[in-house]
Amino acid sequence: AQKITQTQPGMFVQEKEAVTLDCTYDTSDQSYGLFWYKQPSSGEMIFLIYQGSYDEQNATEGRYSLNFQKARKSANLVISASQLGDSAMYFCAMRDTNTGGFKTIFGAGTRLFVKA
Amino acid sequence: NAGVTQTPKFRVLKTGQSMTLLCAQDMNHEYMYWYRQDPGMGLRLIHYSVGEGTTAKGEVPDGYNVSRLKKQNFLLGLESAAPSQTSVYFCASNGLSGVNSGANVLTFGAGSRLTVL
Repeated sequence: AQKITQTQPGMFVQEKEAVTLDCTYDTSDQSYGLFWYKQPSSGEMIFLIYQGSYDEQNATEGRYSLNFQKARKSANLVISASQLGDSAMYFCAMRDTNTGGFKTIFGAGTRLFVKA
Repeated sequence: NAGVTQTPKFRVLKTGQSMTLLCAQDMNHEYMYWYRQDPGMGLRLIHYSVGEGTTAKGEVPDGYNVSRLKKQNFLLGLESAAPSQTSVYFCASNGLSGVNSGANVLTFGAGSRLTVL
C-alpha cells in the first residue's frame, strides 16, 4: 500500500537560514505525483509545490524547492531564507493512482518553528 | 470564487447523535474528498468520490457514510457519533486531469471542527 513518512515531528530554524523537511514515500506505481502543503496556525491548507514522477528536474516555486530522489523514494522540501511567516505545519502528500482514482494520501506532518 | 465551502464550521455532539457535514464546490471539479485531521496523524482519507453518484472508501471509513447526489456537493454523515470521531474534518476537491499534472492540486475547505462528548 502507498505510504508517506515524515520522520521529523518538529524542526527549528533560524530566520534567514535554509531548512530541509524530510519526506519518504512508498509506492509500486510508476506514475505518481508528490505535493507539499503548508498549514499555518489559522488552519487552512495551502499548496506549495508539486513534483511529477516523470519530471527530470526538481520542482521550484520561489523560496521552495523539492529535492526529488526517485531511486531513494524521497521528496524533501527545502525552504531557503526562512521567514517568521514560515512557522507552520508542513505536509508531504502523494497522489495515489493504484485504484484508478486520484486520491491523495498525506504524511503525519512536520511542525516548523522559525526563530527570530 | 468561493472555492470549497464547508458547513458547519464548528459542532458539538453528544455520543450517539447523528449529523451531516456539507461540502460544496463551485469549480466543477470531478473529484471530492473527506479527510480527518488528528494531532500527530496528519490527514487521513475517510471517503472520496470520482464523480456524481459515485463514492469509495478511503483509509478510515468506519463510522462514516457519504453521498454525492450532485456534482458540486459531497456530504459526510455520522450516524451515531463517538468520542473517537472528535476531529477536524476537511473537504477537498480537484479537477479531472492526468496524474502528472500540477492541476491535481487539491483545493481545501476551511475545515469543520467536531467535538463528540
